[in-house]
Amino acid sequence: GIQVEQSPPDLILQEGANSTLRCNFSDSVNNLQWFHQNPWGQLINLFYIPSGTKQNGRLSATTVATERYSLLYISSSQTTDSGVYFCAVGPASGAGSYQLTFGKGTKLSVIP
Amino acid sequence: DVKVTQSSRYLVKRTGEKVFLECVQDMDHENMFWYRQDPGLGLRLIYFSYDVKMKEKGDIPEGYSVSREKKERFSLILESASTNQTSMYLCASSRTGSYNEQFFGPGTRLTVL
Repeated sequence: GIQVEQSPPDLILQEGANSTLRCNFSDSVNNLQWFHQNPWGQLINLFYIPSGTKQNGRLSATTVATERYSLLYISSSQTTDSGVYFCAVGPASGAGSYQLTFGKGTKLSVIP
Repeated sequence: DVKVTQSSRYLVKRTGEKVFLECVQDMDHENMFWYRQDPGLGLRLIYFSYDVKMKEKGDIPEGYSVSREKKERFSLILESASTNQTSMYLCASSRTGSYNEQFFGPGTRLTVL
């Protein structure tokens, strides 16, 4: 099946700093999503971005499907940005094309 | 807004009990999913359903079954709970077709003693 790798696994930032999280995937995709998991375990949808660039406030994401990677940018980080960020992809074809395969996540800690 | 709800946030059961986890979505989505999340292993797909009464095994279906009698409801069943099924269980739903963003419920943290 499709492989998803996220980097870095852990990231510590000072409040106000910027960061870039990366997601590499091993095959063509028809779905790529970025999530933030809050302290209570809920997965919050950040972006649905199988290709292109999107922005939402201080967050933006870019997926280069031909090169099989996606980037999540967080600018002017706040302590409330802390948590685990997941990238998840759905293969473009074949069995399991409705499914999402998740990366292991990036644990972000923003300190005041 | 899409809303996916799960019947319990926390659940404690005994080994050997039959356990039902319920998930309901209100957006008329065709697809519904059950995942479990474990430290170090990430999120893994247990089962999914693409239509009423239809189901497909995911990556780790052993020890679980599912039921989808109505489009909005998808149940995960642990026939005889075991301690290695202690985990966080997350339900999700999505449309079929080119725009297939998945939306997740709040999760059920299950402990099997």
